[in-house]
Amino acid sequence: GENVEQHPSTLSVQEGDSAVIKCTYSDSASNYFPWYKQELGKGPQLIIDIRSNVGEKKDQRIAVTLNKTAKHFSLHITETQPEDSAVYFCAAIDQAGTALIFGKGTTLSVSS
Amino acid sequence: EAGVTQFPSHSVIEKGQTVTLRCDPISGHDNLYWYRRVMGKEIKFLLHFVKESKQDESGMPNNRFLAERTGGTYSTLKVQPAELEDSGVYFCASSQAITSEAFFGQGTRLTVV
Repeated sequence: GENVEQHPSTLSVQEGDSAVIKCTYSDSASNYFPWYKQELGKGPQLIIDIRSNVGEKKDQRIAVTLNKTAKHFSLHITETQPEDSAVYFCAAIDQAGTALIFGKGTTLSVSS
Repeated sequence: EAGVTQFPSHSVIEKGQTVTLRCDPISGHDNLYWYRRVMGKEIKFLLHFVKESKQDESGMPNNRFLAERTGGTYSTLKVQPAELEDSGVYFCASSQAITSEAFFGQGTRLTVV
């Protein structure tokens, strides 16, 4: 089945710096790659997603890139702010196309 | 519009007891998913309902776990009897289509002692 690897597990940056989180997936048939942000005491919330027919998508300070050949995708956060501090999860749709398979998460800490 | 709601938010039970978690998806969402996150590990898929039918239950760890979605509305996940390794945060999510945005509830933190 699909396997998603996520790195790093923790990331600490200074306010204003950029943060990059990387994920790889195993199933070349996967075609949907969302990123979720989980704040303390809350459930994961979708922040951006990308489908396999595009290589990059941007939404204000957040961007996601996808390399289908290498089977990896990345989340880029620019001009980080303390409120960006959270756990971020990448995910890919599984072989059957029925469920999201998640990475292990990255705890991002932004210090002011 | 109400989001996905889960009840209870926390549950502490003794090994061997039974616990039932409930999830109310967003109205009109046919797809309902259960996930579990054990401390420090990834969010793992448990099962997927389409309306009242189990589309995929390949992630259910064993027969101590039973999920239902009678009438295709809310869902319950029962653990009987609970074991220590069942501790974790159980998330429910719902979506309109399989590859559309999945909305998550706040989770139920289950602690088995």
